[in-house]
Amino acid sequence: EAGVAQSPRYKIIEKRQSVAFWCNPISGHATLYWYQQILGQGPKLLIQFQNNGVVDDSQLPKDRFSAERLKGVDSTLKIQPAKLEDSAVYLCASSFFQIYNEQFFGPGTRLTVL
Amino acid sequence: ELKVEQNPLFLSMQEGKNYTIYCNYSTTSDRLYWYRQDPGKSLESLFVLLSNGAVKQEGRLMASLDTKARLSTLHITAAVHDLSATYFCAVDMGFFRTSGSRLTFGEGTQLTVNP
Repeated sequence: EAGVAQSPRYKIIEKRQSVAFWCNPISGHATLYWYQQILGQGPKLLIQFQNNGVVDDSQLPKDRFSAERLKGVDSTLKIQPAKLEDSAVYLCASSFFQIYNEQFFGPGTRLTVL
Repeated sequence: ELKVEQNPLFLSMQEGKNYTIYCNYSTTSDRLYWYRQDPGKSLESLFVLLSNGAVKQEGRLMASLDTKARLSTLHITAAVHDLSATYFCAVDMGFFRTSGSRLTFGEGTQLTVNP
């Protein structure tokens, strides 16, 4: 089966600009996650969707970050305006409702804010 | 707040040697995952541990979970260069039957296996 798809793979922007990332989960996976991974650290959950509803966005900086999952499939994550500290890899993951809900990760989008 | 700590954070070892990576966590959970990440790549699932005493093995890697001690280990047997990567443990605190998993990752252990 096809894996989690993300685009773009790389993005370089100036601070205060806006940027958007796209994620297409594995077909049939109801749960979608966005993570931020800063260089040298483990991924940190930003937001979790169950179908098209938000389950957990407690660690999402809502003053500048937003995410949506229209129709319960694809998702976009937006940053507006970007700050230098937003430079990171943004990972999308998805999981299917099964006994252990293993998460499968996409290739990530590497964001550099100058 | 759940804390997940791995040690060591950096590990340099010779081929053929054995070593163990430790993952300690601060809150009760009976679900823990191990992932591998190669430089510039995404995370690859290695093991899913779902109960106290669970042990999983794949090739030269073996993972175990002791929920009472809040400890998981990833043991490397007779290391080879191809195992060089960063290894993450992740503790699941989600109510998976209703809302999916909720992972908190450790800082990662960067493993280098030298010839």
